[in-house]
Amino acid sequence: EAGVAQSPRYKIIEKRQSVAFWCNPISGHATLYWYQQILGQGPKLLIQFQNNGVVDDSQLPKDRFSAERLKGVDSTLKIQPAKLEDSAVYLCASSRSSGGLVYSFGSGTRLTVV
Amino acid sequence: KQEVTQIPAALSVPEGENLVLNCSFTDSAIYNLQWFRQDPGKGLTSLLLIQSSQREQTSGRLNASLDKSSGRSTLYIAASQPGDSATYLCAAEDSNYQLIWGAGTKLIIKP
Repeated sequence: EAGVAQSPRYKIIEKRQSVAFWCNPISGHATLYWYQQILGQGPKLLIQFQNNGVVDDSQLPKDRFSAERLKGVDSTLKIQPAKLEDSAVYLCASSRSSGGLVYSFGSGTRLTVV
Repeated sequence: KQEVTQIPAALSVPEGENLVLNCSFTDSAIYNLQWFRQDPGKGLTSLLLIQSSQREQTSGRLNASLDKSSGRSTLYIAASQPGDSATYLCAAEDSNYQLIWGAGTKLIIKP
């Protein structure tokens, strides 16, 4: 089966600009996650979708970050406006459901804000 | 609040050695414990998943153990190879099915 697809692989933007990331999960995976991974740290969950509904977005900075998962398949994560501290790798993952299952991760998008 | 710690942050060993990576967690009420591998510029690859009722899991040269009472998990790598060089992360899945991550151990296997 095809893996989790993410684009772009790399993005460099200036602070206060906007940026969007795209994720296509594994076919049939109901649960989709967006993580932020700052260099030297473990991933931090930003938002979790179950089909096209939000399960958890408690750590999403909602004043600048937004995410959607239309039709319960593809998802986009947007940052507007970006800050220097948003520089990180943004990882998308999916699983068949939630809880006790194997997660499949995309290669991530490395964002640099200058 | 669950916290996951991995020590050491980095480890360098000669090829062929057996090694142990450590992961500790503060709340024993976990659903499972997972080990992942992360290569530079790539996403995370799931290595082993240990359910809360299990004590260990094995895959090839990898063996992961779980001791909930002491809040510890170890990843044992036998006969290490240069291709094992990567960052290894552990994550505890809590009762809300959320993964709580350690910061990882960066492993370098010297030829």
